[in-house]
Amino acid sequence: NAGVMQNPRHLVRRRGQEARLRCSPMKGHSHVYWYRQLPEEGLKFMVYLQKENIIDESGMPKERFSAEFPKEGPSILRIQQVVRGDSAAYFCASSLTGTGDEQYFGPGTRLTVT
Amino acid sequence: GESVGLHLPTLSVQEGDNSIINCAYSNSASDYFIWYKQESGKGPQFIIDIRSNMDKRQGQRVTVLLNKTVKHLSLQIAATQPGDSAVYFCAENALQISGNTGKLIFGQGTTLQVKP
Repeated sequence: NAGVMQNPRHLVRRRGQEARLRCSPMKGHSHVYWYRQLPEEGLKFMVYLQKENIIDESGMPKERFSAEFPKEGPSILRIQQVVRGDSAAYFCASSLTGTGDEQYFGPGTRLTVT
Repeated sequence: GESVGLHLPTLSVQEGDNSIINCAYSNSASDYFIWYKQESGKGPQFIIDIRSNMDKRQGQRVTVLLNKTVKHLSLQIAATQPGDSAVYFCAENALQISGNTGKLIFGQGTTLQVKP
């Protein structure tokens, strides 16, 4: 049973470009969480999605960031017009029921903005 | 506001010794706590969890203690091994809060260094 998969593992973008990060949850999981980790810091919640629905986006910046989890295919975190401050590791986690059960994390995507 | 914090940024122990990593939380409504291990370049790996109706839970070589009175959480690792070297994060959730969406609040992390 494959774990949570994220791609790409490393992504380099120039300022002003768009970044697309993909997350495939564990088989059978329909709940996806995105977290951001700055260097030497803990993870910060960004957004929680179920299939085709955004449930909680209280941690998402109001501009340039968006997320989706379509009926078919992976969850996508999209960052438009990236700036240097967006450089971080972005982790996706999935869970079976969404509350009160274990969240399984992917290996992360390390975004570098030059 | 809500916060989860670690008492020490780095802990250095001798191989074979026991390790204790501490965590303080401020949200008294939190009722679910998890310890994660993160190795360099990897995602967090679940170690052990505990709910607020318990004060102790044991796993393989690990024990989590919860003191709700002082809002303190600790992770004990028995017979620490070089492979235990990593950053350890505590995380919390308030499952019983109406509208809770399961998002985790993470602490800053403690780096565990195991000396051979």
